[in-house]
Amino acid sequence: GAGVSQSPSNKVTEKGKDVELRCDPISGHTALYWYRQRLGQGLEFLIYFQGNSAPDKSGLPSDRFSAERTGESVSTLTIQRTQQEDSAVYLCASSSLGATYEQYFGPGTRLTVT
Amino acid sequence: RKEVEQDPGPFNVPEGATVAFNCTYSNSASQSFFWYRQDCRKEPKLLMSVYSSGNEDGRFTAQLNRASQYISLLIRDSKLSDSATYLCVVIVSGYALNFGKGTSLLVTP
Repeated sequence: GAGVSQSPSNKVTEKGKDVELRCDPISGHTALYWYRQRLGQGLEFLIYFQGNSAPDKSGLPSDRFSAERTGESVSTLTIQRTQQEDSAVYLCASSSLGATYEQYFGPGTRLTVT
Repeated sequence: RKEVEQDPGPFNVPEGATVAFNCTYSNSASQSFFWYRQDCRKEPKLLMSVYSSGNEDGRFTAQLNRASQYISLLIRDSKLSDSATYLCVVIVSGYALNFGKGTSLLVTP
C-alpha cells in the first residue's frame, strides 16, 4: 500500500517568511510524528499526535513552530518567521498504536531558508 | 551529554568483511532499543529490534548490554548494498524515538 507522503519535497524560502509542510500518514496509522534532521545531525523529535489525544509538543524548539492534525489523517507543520537555523530536512513518520517503535518515515521536506 | 552516542565513522570495509558498531545510551531507564538504517538522502527504516538475549536476522546480529548501557550491531559477510548510515534508537518511555547521529558504513568492492 501507499507509504507516508510529504509535500513539498523541497522548499526554499526567505528569512522571515512562513512555511507550511504537509504529511499524509499511512492509512490506519493512528500515531503521527514530526522530526527534524539538520545536516550532519541526528533526528530531533518535534511533536507527536495520537488519535484525538492532546499532542505532545515537547520537542518543538520555539513558539514559531506549530502543528495540526485533522483526525487521524493529514498533518501540517507550520514554521512562522523562518530563520536560517530552521534549514533542515523535516521528516514525518506514522505508526500503528501497538507498534510505536516501528515508525514508517516519509521522504521528508528539505527546507532551505536564505 | 547526548542521550544516544555513536561513533560517526565512516567505517570503510571490503566486501565480505565483518563489521561491528557500538552505541551507548545515557538513561538507565531506557526501555526499548532498535537499529534503523538510513540510505543517503533517504528516510530512516527500521532494521531490527535489540534485546538483552540478542537477536539475529540473517547476516545481522544485535545485542544489548544493559549493565554497560550499550547496544551493538554486527554485520557479517558485508555486501555493497549494506552501505548506509546505521542509526541507534532508544525509547525511554512512550513513543518518542531518541536517535543517535548514526554510524556511516561504506562497503567497497
